[in-house]
Order: sequence, then C-alpha cells, then structure tokens
Amino acid sequence: GAGVSQSPSNKVTEKGKDVELRCDPISGHTALYWYRQSLGQGLEFLIYFQGNSAPDKSGLPSDRFSAERTGGSVSTLTIQRTQQEDSAVYLCASSLGGASAETQYFGPGTRLTVL
Amino acid sequence: AQTVTQSQPEMSVQEAETVTLSCTYDTSESDYYLFWYKQPPSRQMILVIRQEAYKQQNATENRFSVNFQKAAKSFSLKISDSQLGDAAMYFCAYSGLRDKIIFGKGTRLHILP
Repeated sequence: GAGVSQSPSNKVTEKGKDVELRCDPISGHTALYWYRQSLGQGLEFLIYFQGNSAPDKSGLPSDRFSAERTGGSVSTLTIQRTQQEDSAVYLCASSLGGASAETQYFGPGTRLTVL
Repeated sequence: AQTVTQSQPEMSVQEAETVTLSCTYDTSESDYYLFWYKQPPSRQMILVIRQEAYKQQNATENRFSVNFQKAAKSFSLKISDSQLGDAAMYFCAYSGLRDKIIFGKGTRLHILP
C-alpha cells in the first residue's frame, strides 16, 4: 500500500517568505509526527498529533512555526518569515495508534533551503 | 531529561564483515522502548529493530541484532555479513511509554567493497 508522502520534495525560498510543507500519512494512521533534520544532525521533534487530542507542540522552535492536521489525515507545517537557520530536511512520520512502541513510518522528507 | 548518545559519527566495515554501532542513553524510567533506524541516501527512514526494555532477550532481525545492557543503559547494533546496501546513517532512538521518540545524532556507516 501507499506509504507516507510529503510535498514538495525540495523547496527553495527567500528569507522572510512563508512556506507550507505537506504530509499525507498512511491511511488509517491516527498519529502524525513532524521532525526537523539539520545537516549532520539527528532528528529534532517538532510536533505530534494523536487523533482528536490537542497536539503536542513542545518541539516547535518558535512562534513562526505552526502545524495543523485537517480531518485527522493530511497535515501542513507552516513556517512564517523564514530564516536561513530554518534550512533543513523536514520529515513527517505516522503510526497506527500513537503508542510509542509502534513503528513510525517516515516520509521521504522535504528539503527546505532558505536563501 | 532523556538523552541518546551515539559516540561514533562515522564507521567503515569491509563487505561481509561484522560491525557494531554503539548507543548509550540516559533515563530514570524502568519501562521504555529502544529503536535503531536506518536512513539511506534516499532520506527514507526505516525501522531496523526495536527492543522493549522489560524483555531481557536481545532483539534480532535477520542480520541485525542488538546487545541490550539495561543496567549499563547501552543498546548497540550488530550488523553481520555487511552488504553494500547497508551503507546509511543509523540512528539510535529512545521512547518512554506513550511518549515521543528521542533520536541520537547518528552514525554514518560506510561499506567497503
């Protein structure tokens, strides 16, 4: 079946512009995660959606970052007034029910470059 | 706070040989989960192996096995009969019960033909 998809695969933007990154999780997965991976670094947790519960936003680095998940499926990560330090690969993952023991299935990521 | 440390930024191994990637973690919890993920150049993160802390038996998946030392908070990954397709970044990760996953900074593994 289809895996997690993300779009666009690459995004180049100018400093100060807003960007939207999209994630389509695996159908039926109730949990969705966003991570950021800077060059040579591990994965930095950003935000976590589980069903209809309030999202865990504890990893968002600033108020320029926000995310929403519509209808319990597709999620959009928005970065306003982008800065050069926002350049990174943004990864999305989904899992079946949100329990930490479950396998997270990752998308291929969106590489964001802020000039 | 929980932390995950991978002390080897890069490693190389000859094809068909065995290599061990190190990982240590810090937690005050008694129940938790540990993972090894693989990220090839395609960027797609793939779960390699998972260990439940309450299980003493080391997890094994084909050529991949772990050495889980709970008291030492160590969770190393052994890859036997290394293949060219094993070349990737390997991330060790920790998760408490119903908690987000914390990743280490990764170890880049090179396979030498």
